[in-house]
Amino acid sequence: NAGVMQNPRHLVRRRGQEARLRCSPMKGHSHVYWYRQLPEEGLKFMVYLQKENIIDESGMPKERFSAEFPKEGPSILRIQQVVRGDSAAYFCASSPVQGSSQRSGNTIYFGEGSWLTVV
Amino acid sequence: KQEVTQIPAALSVPEGENLVLNCSFTDSAIYNLQWFRQDPGKGLTSLLLIQSSQREQTSGRLNASLDKSSGRSTLYIAASQPGDSATYLCAVRPDNQGGKLIFGQGTELSVKP
Repeated sequence: NAGVMQNPRHLVRRRGQEARLRCSPMKGHSHVYWYRQLPEEGLKFMVYLQKENIIDESGMPKERFSAEFPKEGPSILRIQQVVRGDSAAYFCASSPVQGSSQRSGNTIYFGEGSWLTVV
Repeated sequence: KQEVTQIPAALSVPEGENLVLNCSFTDSAIYNLQWFRQDPGKGLTSLLLIQSSQREQTSGRLNASLDKSSGRSTLYIAASQPGDSATYLCAVRPDNQGGKLIFGQGTELSVKP
């Protein structure tokens, strides 16, 4: 069972460009979460999605950031008009359906991260 | 608002020592607590998950305890090895907020040969 797959692993963008980060959850997982880790800071929750729905976006910056998890395909975190302060590691995580009786039903699995550098 | 604090921020020990990492949280209404390991430039590896109804979990040389009422968890590492060097993150999953995790700042552990 492949883990949570993120790509690209490393992305360099010039100020003002767009960054698109992709996340394929583990097989059978229908919940996706995005976190951001700024340099010298801890991981901060950004957004929680289920297929075609945004459940909690309380950690998303109000402007330039958006996320989606379509019925088919990976989840996408999109950052428009990037600025230097967006340089960070962006982690995706997935979990199975909540309330699962499986032993691992409550564990959240993280991808390897996408490192965005804005120059 | 839930806040998670980890102490110490950094720790350096000689190989073979037993050590304890501390995590505290401000709101006891949690669903579970999870300890992760993060190597430089890498993702997170889940080490142990403790449900809110549990007191501890063990895996190999690792033991994690949870005292929900006092808002504390500890990660005990026995007989530390250089390969244990990494950043250890504590994360709380609050009740009724989906699967969202609140992370501490982490403890950077260095085990010297």
